Amino acid sequence: GAVVSQHPSRVICKSGTSVKIECRSLDFQATTMFWYRQFPKQSLMLMATSNEGSKATYEQGVEKDKFLINHASLTLSTLTVTSAHPEDSSFYICSARPTSGSSYNEQFFGPGTRLTVL
Amino acid sequence: GQQVMQIPQYQHVQEGEDFTTYCNSSTTLSNIQWYKQRPGGHPVFLIQLVKSGEVKKQKRLTFQFGEAKKNSSLHITATQTTDVGTYFCAGRMGRGGGSQGNLIFGKGTKLSVKP
Repeated sequence: GAVVSQHPSRVICKSGTSVKIECRSLDFQATTMFWYRQFPKQSLMLMATSNEGSKATYEQGVEKDKFLINHASLTLSTLTVTSAHPEDSSFYICSARPTSGSSYNEQFFGPGTRLTVL
Repeated sequence: GQQVMQIPQYQHVQEGEDFTTYCNSSTTLSNIQWYKQRPGGHPVFLIQLVKSGEVKKQKRLTFQFGEAKKNSSLHITATQTTDVGTYFCAGRMGRGGGSQGNLIFGKGTKLSVKP
């Protein structure tokens, strides 16, 4: 149980285009989902906290107009990288926290999306 | 800002040796979590510690949470090649044991095990 999927797993795009990444909790409901970015050989950096039905909370230094987050249902959150540039190339990971149950305090991570902007 | 420092950054051990990674926070944590990320994989939750001075064990892994709730450690006894990966701590800020604060990840300790 507690599986989180991400789609796509890899994406290559041209500079200036927008890319949407989906994060789904497959067998549980998640009121809260998190989006992280991981640079090579570095730790996870929290970008934003996504709450179902409300606006996302962005961490300091993360541009909300560039990284659009939508959490329209209890099982789906999307991250859209708008007008992508090569410096946005990174590994983006989402995680989901179950709404209830014994795993409430855990975060379950998706497999990540490798974004390469040419 | 709030930080979680983790050391060492890298650790190379011979199979059978012990391994320890340490996390320190500049502020009191409400809880601390540990994750393992295998090479090429994504972080997998290992455990959460909430209480001051708490010690939890999972087979060869021992997790400790400091009395002041500002530091934590993960100790692996008699490492095996399957232990290879990066171990991250993640501290949740705040004084209660709850889950309201943000989770701040340490930079991770990359463990390699020589057979």
